[in-house]
Amino acid sequence: QLVRTQSPSASASLGASVRLTCTLSSGHSNYAIAWHQQQPEKGPRYLMKVNSDGSHNKGDGIPDRFSGSSSGAERYLTISTLQSEDEADYYCQTWGTGIVVFGGGTKLTVL
Amino acid sequence: QVQLVESGGGVVQPGRSLRLSCVASGFTFNSFGMHWVRQAPGKGLEWVALISYDGSDRYYADSVKGRFTISRDNSKNTLYLQMNSLRDEDTAVYYCAKDQGWNYGVDVWGQGTTVTVSS
Repeated sequence: QLVRTQSPSASASLGASVRLTCTLSSGHSNYAIAWHQQQPEKGPRYLMKVNSDGSHNKGDGIPDRFSGSSSGAERYLTISTLQSEDEADYYCQTWGTGIVVFGGGTKLTVL
Repeated sequence: QVQLVESGGGVVQPGRSLRLSCVASGFTFNSFGMHWVRQAPGKGLEWVALISYDGSDRYYADSVKGRFTISRDNSKNTLYLQMNSLRDEDTAVYYCAKDQGWNYGVDVWGQGTTVTVSS
């Protein structure tokens, strides 16, 4: 599998920052990923694509509070100044020739 | 405004067939790969299938290979998923999604259509 791990849960306080991690499997540490947000009872929404060099391009209308970065096989999504509407499931997605993989998702709770 | 609208979901008995459709608007449909992604109740996202901009290349998840067929009609800006030999475990919300190019990641999602396989 291209995605080795995605932490099942995370929590942080209102107004704080949180960093979510998606770890790529061995041999795929140079792959790009995409982050998607799914709020309760809603469909997914594209947040951004994060490249292996840490560069990222966000989707339309995604607030500046959301940013992406990389280190080795890890791809990060950082959300600053947490708001209640950030409470959601966050999925990473990566891809290779003939295959597309979603991580298991991280459930973010805003305290 | 980029938009994807799925239809065709419903309740179907095991072993039967169903065809989903997704009408795209707001972008040049015939320039982008397209995906189907599903989500079973209470579960995470599962990629189902991918088709290239012109339909010449198609890829499938192992769980649906040989039973599902992805196709597209660029003259109608429409993506399809033909689902045959349906099983209980195919019960899910099915999302149509636009790729950023050709297998460069999803950047637009539809609102989903629900498929329930039950006797």
